[in-house]
Parts: sequence; C-alpha cells; structure tokens
Amino acid sequence: AQSVTQPDIHITVSEGASLELRCNYSYGATPYLFWYVQSPGQGLQLLLKYFSGDTLVQGIKGFEAEFKRSQSSFNLRKPSVHWSDAAEYFCAVGFTGGGNKLTFGTGTQLKVEL
Amino acid sequence: EAGVTQFPSHSVIEKGQTVTLRCDPISGHDNLYWYRRVMGKEIKFLLHFVKESKQDESGMPNNRFLAERTGGTYSTLKVQPAELEDSGVYFCASSRATNEKLFFGSGTQLSVL
Repeated sequence: AQSVTQPDIHITVSEGASLELRCNYSYGATPYLFWYVQSPGQGLQLLLKYFSGDTLVQGIKGFEAEFKRSQSSFNLRKPSVHWSDAAEYFCAVGFTGGGNKLTFGTGTQLKVEL
Repeated sequence: EAGVTQFPSHSVIEKGQTVTLRCDPISGHDNLYWYRRVMGKEIKFLLHFVKESKQDESGMPNNRFLAERTGGTYSTLKVQPAELEDSGVYFCASSRATNEKLFFGSGTQLSVL
C-alpha cells in the first residue's frame, strides 16, 4: 500500500522568502503525485500534479514541485511567498488504475509573517 | 459554474444519534468521492461512486456508515449510530472522468459529543 509523509506539521516563513514543503512517498511503481492547498473555509484546490515526463512540474500561483525518484520525494517550492499563501498544504499519491483514489499526507500548515 | 457543495458545513450531535451529510457534485461529473479527515491526521479515502454505482467502498470504516447516490446526482453519507471517533471533516469531491481533475467541496465538520 502506498503512503505519504509530510514531516513538517507547521512552517513559518516571512513574506518574500522562499518556501520548500517536503513530501516523501512510498509506492512500488511510478506514482501519480499531487499537491493540494486548503485555505480557511475552502475546499482543497489542486496546485499541481505529476504523472510522467519532466520531473519539474509547474503549477498555479507560482508553485513548482520536483519529482525525485531516487529520494522518493516530491517537494513543493515557491521562490517568493505572499501573505495570501498562508494555508494548509497536502501532498497526495495516486496509482495506475486508481483514478482519483488518493492517499494523502497529514498536511503542512504554512504561516506567513509580514 | 457552481462548485461542489456540501451541507451542513457544521454538525454537532451526541453519541448514538444519526447524522446525514449531503454532497452536490459539479453538474455533469459522474465520479463522486467521499474523504474524511480525523483531527490532525491524514485525509482518508472513504468511497467512490460512478454515477449511482459504488465503484470502490474499501475505505468505509464500518457498517455504521451508509453512502448513497440516488439517480447519480447528489450523494448522502449517513452515520448511524454516531460514535465519538466519527468526529472529523468529511470532504466530498467530484470529477468528470476517473482520471480528470478532482474538485473538492469545503467539507462538513462533524463533532460527536
């Protein structure tokens, strides 16, 4: 069975600073990888996804993530954080034939200091 | 276009009572999913409908949970009788096709006292 680990429960960064949220997964084959964001009172919104091909994936809101098979990681990055990025971020993994049956991590709560 | 709508947004009930959560997916989306997040833990898959049929209900915790999707439109998730450990946020999500983008509702916060 697949699993996802997000080692950081809370992260605080200053506005304008760079951001990296960590995600490690466990899955026997090539995974489908996702990052979602949940702002207060909102549903989860897809930031980006990796299915195959280029291991550096660009998403919405200036986010990107890099798939590293050797490290079983799919870290999310943003060069300059905005106060509106404060939210909870979830990494998720899917599998071939599984469609949208996803396994999520426990989430990372991002706080942005002005 | 309306998004995925869930109600109620919050529900507080006592142990042993019954609660029914409702989800209205995006119009035209045949695939409907229920997920649950227990406080501080990961979001877990509960089940998947394709139209009115249960495609996968492997994540349903036990037989106190009953999900339906009559007519392949909205879905309900009933918990009867509710237990303390059922507290959490219940998310509904929908997609047009199985592998297409998933759209989530804002969730129902269920508190069982």
